[in-house]
Amino acid sequence: DTGVSQDPRHKITKRGQNVTFRCDPISEHNRLYWYRQTLGQGPEFLTYFQNEAQLEKSRLLSDRFSAERPKGSFSTLEIQRTEQGDSAMYLCASIGAYEQYFGPGTRLTVT
Amino acid sequence: ILNVEQSPQSLHVQEGDSTNFTCSFPSSNFYALHWYRWETAKSPEALFVMTLNGDEKKKGRISATLNTKEGYSYLYIKGSQPEDSATYLCAFISGSARQLTFGSGTQLTVLP
Repeated sequence: DTGVSQDPRHKITKRGQNVTFRCDPISEHNRLYWYRQTLGQGPEFLTYFQNEAQLEKSRLLSDRFSAERPKGSFSTLEIQRTEQGDSAMYLCASIGAYEQYFGPGTRLTVT
Repeated sequence: ILNVEQSPQSLHVQEGDSTNFTCSFPSSNFYALHWYRWETAKSPEALFVMTLNGDEKKKGRISATLNTKEGYSYLYIKGSQPEDSATYLCAFISGSARQLTFGSGTQLTVLP
């Protein structure tokens, strides 16, 4: 257990529905990252928060994706109007001095 | 776009064998290289963070080396055990970036 939790662990949804995932990082870490991992690939960077400020967003993050970290603690990632191509593992990570500590991920399946 | 490549893509070894994998990354503007082990249904686990050319790090039977001038890192596992079966990921951070760029991983299966 890394101390980073994600909820839910699995989500199956129909195309066109909205989904929201939650990440609870290690409490003293002020930096939080979201990544997406598809089959056969390594995780790809989506977005990054320092405290409550979203400092960087990948080109992978289309307009249907939004992320928040309202009080600089937990973060949510919302996908609107899901598409089958959104099926992936969504990982969050929080950073200490050097290492990124990952949560177990949320596996999204869009049918 | 940063290119981080890992080889081989997958590997099957017998229990007790020693093995190694390669991670190659851009040799310019290097900041750090991370190695992770990712077992199914678990969080990726940090193995090593390497920052200096010539670094060698060790954790039990697992060790890693780093060559920033030529842009590669090796991960070695001595006397593989079935519990070593996992996907091993390397990830690169350049001097100008804040996020990790991952390779696609090496999937190791250790057969009893």
